[in-house]
Order: sequence, then structure tokens, then C-alpha cells
Amino acid sequence: EIQLVESGGGLVRPGGSLRISCATSGFSFNDAWVSWVRQGPGKGLEWIGRIKSNAAGGTADYAGPVKGRFTISRDDSINTVFLQLNNLEFEDTATYHCATALSTSIYWGQGTLVTVSS
Amino acid sequence: DIMLTQSPDSLPVSLGERATISCKSSQSLFYSSNNKNYLAWYQQKPRQPPRLLFYWASVRESGVPDRFSGAGSGTDFTLTISSLQAEDVAVYYCHQYYLTPWTFGRGTKVEI
Repeated sequence: EIQLVESGGGLVRPGGSLRISCATSGFSFNDAWVSWVRQGPGKGLEWIGRIKSNAAGGTADYAGPVKGRFTISRDDSINTVFLQLNNLEFEDTATYHCATALSTSIYWGQGTLVTVSS
Repeated sequence: DIMLTQSPDSLPVSLGERATISCKSSQSLFYSSNNKNYLAWYQQKPRQPPRLLFYWASVRESGVPDRFSGAGSGTDFTLTISSLQAEDVAVYYCHQYYLTPWTFGRGTKVEI
């Protein structure tokens, strides 16, 4: 069974930092490109970035609103993708999901809630 | 960025009636090398994560009732609920994964 499980969300003050994780299982993680998508309260879905497989260079791309503040990385030894969130703003309050599109389907995690509040 | 225009924003439907949602892309989502359209549909109920209904535009995810159907190719896609049930009340999103940034429609709220 393919699973993606996010963790590490929580309450953080504006300007603060947080690292959230996406632990995966059930598929060939080494070959997977993994995206992060967030959804603010009462809002739609917003792609924030993606990391390629190491075979494809292992580089990450980001959406404009988070570029320079968020960093995506991966550790293939533990089948996990990380999202480092720095200089957080009120508008970053959202549920953060990791997702991957494979030939068999698109798989999402349940999400982890990040709340930015003073 | 690829823009997805989803319509309508809100769709009141009677129980047992048909509901049709449109999603139009600003560029083709068809990849000729594998003959696939990189378009997905999701259902989202309050306080729940999105639930995948269709990928490759028309491939039904396991467990999705067959009253749901996905169709279309290139730039024009539709999601149809043939006979609306009470449990289908939700917000529905289309999603293109042809290129990054992935983009999503603004959502259609289906209500009774």
C-alpha cells in the first residue's frame, strides 16, 4: 500500500521557522518526484514546490510566494521529503500536503497543519 | 503557468439529477508520447483532505462510485455526477499535473 504521511506541523510565530516531513512507503521513492501543496483555511489548493528524483538532478522548484523562504529536500535512505519553512508569515497558515504523481495514480498525504500566529 | 478555469462556482442540483462541472485549460494537457491527459479531479468535504476521483482525466480511482465520470482531452474536461446523492455534496477541484507549477481550478461547490 502506498502511503505518504506528513508530520511536524504546529503553531509558530511570524518570522519563525518550522520543518515538516513527508514519510513515504509502498513505492519506488528513489524514482519519485514529490510536490508540496497547501490549503489555507477556507481557501483552494496551492502548489508550493517540488523536488525531482536524485537521478533527475534532485533539484527543487518553488512557487513565487515561497521562493527564498521555503526549501524542499529529500533523504532517499529513509524515503522522506522535508519542507523547511523560514520567515513564516500569517498567510502561510495552511494544511500542508505532500503528493506524488505516479503512473498508477496521484497519491496524497492527509496533511499537517501549520498555524502562524502571534 | 497553466490556468484552469473551472465552472460554475456553485452548482445547486436536486437529488437524483445530473451535475456537470467544466474545467478548461489555458494549454493542452495531452502528452502525445503516452497518449495521456494530465488532468485530475478531486472531491473535498469540510475538514477533510481532497479525495482523488479521477486521474489521466478519465481513470476512476478505486472505490469511486460509477455515477461519477471524467471526460475530455486537450484543453476541455468535464466531471459528471449522473445521479446526485446526498453524500456527493462537496467542493470539486480540477488539477493539472502536466507542468509545474501544478495548478488547480478554483473549485465548484455542489449543493442540494
